[in-house]
Amino acid sequence: DAMVIQNPRYQVTQFGKPVTLSCSQTLNHNVMYWYQQKSSQAPKLLFHYYDKDFNNEADTPDNFQSRRPNTSFCFLDIRSPGLGDAAMYLCATSRDLTAWEQYFGPGTRLTVT
Amino acid sequence: GIQVEQSPPDLILQEGANSTLRCNFSDSVNNLQWFHQNPWGQLINLFYIPSGTKQNGRLSATTVATERYSLLYISSSQTTDSGVYFCGFNAGKSTFGDGTTLTVKP
Repeated sequence: DAMVIQNPRYQVTQFGKPVTLSCSQTLNHNVMYWYQQKSSQAPKLLFHYYDKDFNNEADTPDNFQSRRPNTSFCFLDIRSPGLGDAAMYLCATSRDLTAWEQYFGPGTRLTVT
Repeated sequence: GIQVEQSPPDLILQEGANSTLRCNFSDSVNNLQWFHQNPWGQLINLFYIPSGTKQNGRLSATTVATERYSLLYISSSQTTDSGVYFCGFNAGKSTFGDGTTLTVKP
């Protein structure tokens, strides 16, 4: 009865090679979020989708893009990963933006070689 | 934006001890949540607690929104309670505190 699923759990990519991380949810929530978390730091919001409405944080690098083809799936695309993009990437959902109770997936740990 | 501060940053306990973690925020929030990040990195929901008190087994939480703080209580701590505890909320932007790292020793 997994609610927020992320694939893969571990991803290794080469410097500059595009990579896509996947998130799916069975909660039918309107909002899906992507966070980046580096070691010993708090999660940092990259962007979120409210339904099909994309909301990018001002300080999210252009290298990071996202797609939400339907309610259940959301993808994080890193166009040209650098060494500084190595991190844990967390996907979360909430029913809406005001009732903000968030549910997180297990995360994808990205290594850039 | 609203600032959030968690204390203490680090906490080391002997198994069986009790602890209180604190989350202060600089303005009113109405959707505060507590999470435990396990050793594998997943953020586990503990409490969604915009106000009042909730209890779940050995854990309980209290949010006093008018005084801009929330507390997480852990009683009779176990080694499996180790990890990082975050408070978070959305006041225009999803915001998390820097976390409290709890280590419970056997």
